[in-house]
Amino acid sequence: DAGITQSPRHKVTETGTPVTLRCHQTENHRYMYWYRQDPGHGLRLIHYSYGVKDTDKGEVSDGYSVSRSKTEDFLLTLESATSSQTSVYFCAISETSGIRARQYFGPGTRLTVT
Amino acid sequence: AQTVTQSQPEMSVQEAETVTLSCTYDTSENNYYLFWYKQPPSRQMILVIRQEAYKQQNATENRFSVNFQKAAKSFSLKISDSQLGDTAMYFCAFMTEGGSEKLVFGKGTKLTVNP
Repeated sequence: DAGITQSPRHKVTETGTPVTLRCHQTENHRYMYWYRQDPGHGLRLIHYSYGVKDTDKGEVSDGYSVSRSKTEDFLLTLESATSSQTSVYFCAISETSGIRARQYFGPGTRLTVT
Repeated sequence: AQTVTQSQPEMSVQEAETVTLSCTYDTSENNYYLFWYKQPPSRQMILVIRQEAYKQQNATENRFSVNFQKAAKSFSLKISDSQLGDTAMYFCAFMTEGGSEKLVFGKGTKLTVNP
């Protein structure tokens, strides 16, 4: 299994509070991703990174920001959490494109916003 | 934009039997990859099988095989000799080659294997 950890694994927070989720990899992969998973929607891409300090928006980026100051860490921040952001969040990593193209997923973080 | 459609929200199969999960996708790209991921109750996303669009031969991984029809944009997953441990959500996913390797997922099919 790829070395991907997410912290925290579970979090309950109140509406309006800031929340930061951390993804850490030991694989030195270039690409990192944040997805959210909701019933009836599958996994949807929030933001992704293609290198240190290089990030871009995904399909559902509103209300989220990211940062990547080191290859191994990719942070997802909810500046002011809302109940609609209650979800399971997955981090993923990927090597470069081509024949090895695939993503490895972390264990997920369950976030509840009350 | 690419889209992935899984038309079967839920399916069930008897242990030891064969089941096929459907997936269709829409893209204007010629080079891409297709994946099936399994998500058991543990929530871990596990890669089951992958297919390169430029390969005509269908991918196989032990009891798992795909039927890839590029012209029809169809990518179904066949599970042979179903086992209780195959009970999970199954997601079909699409990745464009050279596009930062972003995955587009279908909404998933919940498969239950009955004893």
